[in-house]
Amino acid sequence: SQQGEEDPQALSIQEGENATMNCSYKTSINNLQWYRQNSGRGLVHLILIRSNEREKHSGRLRVTLDTSKKSSSLLITASRAADTASYFCATDSNYQLIWGAGTKLIIKP
Amino acid sequence: GAVVSQHPSWVICKSGTSVKIECRSLDFQATTMFWYRQFPKQSLMLMATSNEGSKATYEQGVEKDKFLINHASLTLSTLTVTSAHPEDSSFYICSAHLGLGTGGYTFGSGTRLTVV
Repeated sequence: SQQGEEDPQALSIQEGENATMNCSYKTSINNLQWYRQNSGRGLVHLILIRSNEREKHSGRLRVTLDTSKKSSSLLITASRAADTASYFCATDSNYQLIWGAGTKLIIKP
Repeated sequence: GAVVSQHPSWVICKSGTSVKIECRSLDFQATTMFWYRQFPKQSLMLMATSNEGSKATYEQGVEKDKFLINHASLTLSTLTVTSAHPEDSSFYICSAHLGLGTGGYTFGSGTRLTVV
């Protein structure tokens, strides 16, 4: 089941630039999580932000959460070719993940 | 960290045969396991939620007699695709909740099923 909408659907930028992806959702949540998936591979958990948090950092990742707007953003700074992947947001409501459609990010060397 | 080991990574089978996919939690007890299906270039679709020792809860539109889920122990959950057909070809992923404290989930590496 999916409730999240992510934009853009696809994003292509030059290496070294920043990449921003957005996620919107519809219901109340316990937390929101971002995952990365390389082509044909499993999911890698990137970061979890709880409903009472507004911003979180992890290395080159910065996640914001606006519960009033039911939206979140993922910023990847100083992008690298290895960041090329699909990125998914997932909202945790009643301990079940609901997934966004994903953003395909391509970093050009 | 908590790891879910999923096997096999890929499998090719003939139409009409059954395929079993295993997910094992290696260093924690997975009371609840989630099974997802992912079509190419699409997001994950939750198929079912399994709780150790009880029957799985299937999402609407998922045939429980076709996708048999067994969660007989706290460290092992299996998904069996019975009488597989080419339209069952997909990427299957399991996931376990890490508990109320962390709020996080851990995922298996996925199984690419191709039915020929």
